[in-house]
Amino acid sequence: EVQLVESGGGVVQPGGSLRLSCAAFGFTFDDYAMHWVRQAPGKGLEWVSVISWDGGRIYYADPVKGRFTISRDNTKNQNSLYLQMNSLTAEDTALYYCARDRGLLWGGMDVWGQGTTVTVSS
Amino acid sequence: QPVMTQSPSASGTPGQRVTISCSGRSSNIGSNAVNWYQHLPGMAPKLLIYSDNQRPSGVPDRFSGSKSGTSASLAISGLQSEDEADYYCAAWDDSLNGWVFGGGTKLTVL
Repeated sequence: EVQLVESGGGVVQPGGSLRLSCAAFGFTFDDYAMHWVRQAPGKGLEWVSVISWDGGRIYYADPVKGRFTISRDNTKNQNSLYLQMNSLTAEDTALYYCARDRGLLWGGMDVWGQGTTVTVSS
Repeated sequence: QPVMTQSPSASGTPGQRVTISCSGRSSNIGSNAVNWYQHLPGMAPKLLIYSDNQRPSGVPDRFSGSKSGTSASLAISGLQSEDEADYYCAAWDDSLNGWVFGGGTKLTVL
């Protein structure tokens, strides 16, 4: 079964850091680009970042540029996606979803995880 | 001015046909494929339509997508109570070099 499982969310103080992980199961991980998408409380979906299958292409949404870093581990034992989040602010409070791209990077998200919650609060 | 806009709400009665619209720019809808997502509370978003008008396997043919210029639409026919959800359009934006989502439309089945 194709599945994505996020972890690493939690409560962090403003200015702090957090690293999210997403474990992939049931498909050939390095055949697909991968995304992070978030949803703040009471708000809509907001795309955060995407990484190509080999990590060679990476794009970020403007609100997170320079603060967040997306990466991936395509080794068989890992098959994981990561999001390193630094200099966090209250505006980063959200449910963060990991999602698979339909194709190289521009196909859009076709498989989603259940999300992990990040709360930035003092 | 949001990059892609949707009406905040829509409604219909069971059996009706409803249409949800998404207005964008030449840099996103005007030059790239549009996807549509259904998001139920507490659930992961679900891909309903990709490449403007294609349905993934398992999505009922009650759902259809179309695009003209810088606007796209999602139509739901034979409305059912379980269709009550938030619906989002999304597309790659060549100017932003990133994906953009519409603000979402909350569909209520009366």
